[in-house]
Amino acid sequence: AQSVTQLDSHVSVSEGTPVLLRCNYSSSYSPSLFWYVQHPNKGLQLLLKYTSAATLVKGINGFEAEFKKSETSFHLTKPSAHMSDAAEYFCVVRSKAAGNKLTFGGGTRVLVKP
Amino acid sequence: EPEVTQTPSHQVTQMGQEVILRCVPISNHLYFYWYRQILGQKVEFLVSFYNNEISEKSEIFDDQFSVERPDGSNFTLKIRSTKLEDSAMYFCASSRQGPTNEKLFFGSGTQLSVL
Repeated sequence: AQSVTQLDSHVSVSEGTPVLLRCNYSSSYSPSLFWYVQHPNKGLQLLLKYTSAATLVKGINGFEAEFKKSETSFHLTKPSAHMSDAAEYFCVVRSKAAGNKLTFGGGTRVLVKP
Repeated sequence: EPEVTQTPSHQVTQMGQEVILRCVPISNHLYFYWYRQILGQKVEFLVSFYNNEISEKSEIFDDQFSVERPDGSNFTLKIRSTKLEDSAMYFCASSRQGPTNEKLFFGSGTQLSVL
């Protein structure tokens, strides 16, 4: 079985300050991990993915995430938040053991204050 | 960037009625998916579809649900007799390659409300 826990349902940051969105996963097989973002009235957009290559993954819009197997974590960071980063973010796991379907975390809603 | 299009954005129906949710995947994609998110819960997998047949489905996807690719562009999800608990946001997704291809493109969703 696989599961994903996003530790914060809401995160509020000031524009220009760092963003940290926490994600822990559970998977009985070598997982692939993803972060998706959903802006209002838009589809889910892939930010970045980890697929057993480099553990530090760079994505779009200045986001990056680090895969830490020992901590079963895949936290998403950005050094400086922008107003356009206000959205909902989903951490997602996929593994062959689970039939390759995506398992989503509960989502973290990010608010960016001016 | 190409987009997956879902219509309608909102659908309201009476319990027991049939609904069809429509999706236009990206044109050169071959794999299609439906996910849903009940309010306050996680996004969950419903079904995947390839080569005109279901390749995988979850336990949620019972006999009340069906999917179809009626022509070369549309991919539909039908709920035969809706229940209150079917109220959710339904997301369609597509990918060019199969399960080993990680990049799924998602639509913006159809919010289904069953009264």
